[in-house]
Amino acid sequence: ETGVTQSPTHLIKTRGQQVTLRCSSQSGHNTVSWYQQALGQGPQFIFQYYREEENGRGNFPPRFSGLQFPNYSSELNVNALELDDSALYLCASSLAGRYTGELFFGEGSRLTVL
Amino acid sequence: DAKTTQPNSMESNEEEPVHLPCNHSTISGTDYIHWYRQLPSQGPEYVIHGLTSNVNNRMASLAIAEDRKSSTLILHRATLRDAAVYYCILRPSNFGNEKLTFGTGTRLTIIP
Repeated sequence: ETGVTQSPTHLIKTRGQQVTLRCSSQSGHNTVSWYQQALGQGPQFIFQYYREEENGRGNFPPRFSGLQFPNYSSELNVNALELDDSALYLCASSLAGRYTGELFFGEGSRLTVL
Repeated sequence: DAKTTQPNSMESNEEEPVHLPCNHSTISGTDYIHWYRQLPSQGPEYVIHGLTSNVNNRMASLAIAEDRKSSTLILHRATLRDAAVYYCILRPSNFGNEKLTFGTGTRLTIIP
């Protein structure tokens, strides 16, 4: 059973640009959630997708958007990048409804905005 | 979301037991207590979870107070590989809610 994989692992962008981060879920998982982790902080929930629809969102502006595909893989898009968007972006997959179960995290994509 | 409180950091000697405390005085009756850890340069990793009773698995034990307002993660014999940030999280049991609310966690240092 393959784990959660994210790409790219590292990237550098400049302020105002747009970025797309990708995530492949663990086999059999139908829910993907995305987290932002600033240096020295715990991960912060951005949003989650279930059956290709966003069904939960944290305190992030609309320039953070996402997609989930029929194979349950997912993308996180961030428009109009700001310096404060520099962070580790984590994707987690899970099986919806098994709230007693675990989320499986990828190793993250580290974004630096200059 | 109900809040948890953990010490910022703890140290333990290698091969000794480690007790990581967590306070969650505003926990609701349907919140599960989850623990995750994050090793350097990795994503968080599930450790254990429980509702009311104490739980054991291959990684750790979870002791839950009778009033559920606190819990303790127990690593029975710490190794250097256990050095990580440990997060105590309350997870609501409503369907489809896969959101985890992380705090700043406890940074555990293992002394050889």
